[in-house]
Amino acid sequence: AQSVTQLDSHVSVSEGTPVLLRCNYSSSYSPSLFWYVQHPNKGLQLLLKYTSAATLVKGINGFEAEFKKSETSFHLTKPSAHMSDAAEYFCVVSERGTGGFKTIFGAGTRLFVKA
Amino acid sequence: DTGVSQNPRHKITKRGQNVTFRCDPISEHNRLYWYRQTLGQGPEFLTYFQNEAQLEKSRLLSDRFSAERPKGSFSTLEIQRTEQGDSAMYLCASSTRQQGSYEQYFGPGTRLTVT
Repeated sequence: AQSVTQLDSHVSVSEGTPVLLRCNYSSSYSPSLFWYVQHPNKGLQLLLKYTSAATLVKGINGFEAEFKKSETSFHLTKPSAHMSDAAEYFCVVSERGTGGFKTIFGAGTRLFVKA
Repeated sequence: DTGVSQNPRHKITKRGQNVTFRCDPISEHNRLYWYRQTLGQGPEFLTYFQNEAQLEKSRLLSDRFSAERPKGSFSTLEIQRTEQGDSAMYLCASSTRQQGSYEQYFGPGTRLTVT
């Protein structure tokens, strides 16, 4: 069965320090994996995607994620947090299998950035 | 290209009334998706269209919900006999195949409040 687990509901970092948002997934097929960001009162914006090409994926605003099949993980990182990074982040799995097309969002991780 | 648009942005209705939301996808995107997002949760998939064909429906989409995409362009989501549990943000997204995946572009959402 397909599922997405975001291991932390809240993460708090200081400005200028690294960010790590963790995501584990399960999938019966070869999934596409995404990270989206949602700022308050704004729409979901795609940060980056993995589609079976390079396992280290670079996205917008300095974010990147590494696909690790052996660990079924797709953690999101950024070397140095900025105040504007404070938002809700969603890990997403999308695949087509015998059960049809499915897209599943994780429950989200809220990132707080302290000055 | 102005992105995915949704109307109305906010809707307040009384329990038992019918409501209809509209989504205009990015032009030439052949796939269109509907999601529901409640407070503190990630979006939940409701249904998706490829062109005018509705290819997948979640079990969350009860008989009171119906979605159409008559000409393969805009889509409508209707909720009949609304209940307080229908209060949520309804999100629309569209996509087309790019580099092996269907990354989804989201609209701003329609916030429904059922009193």
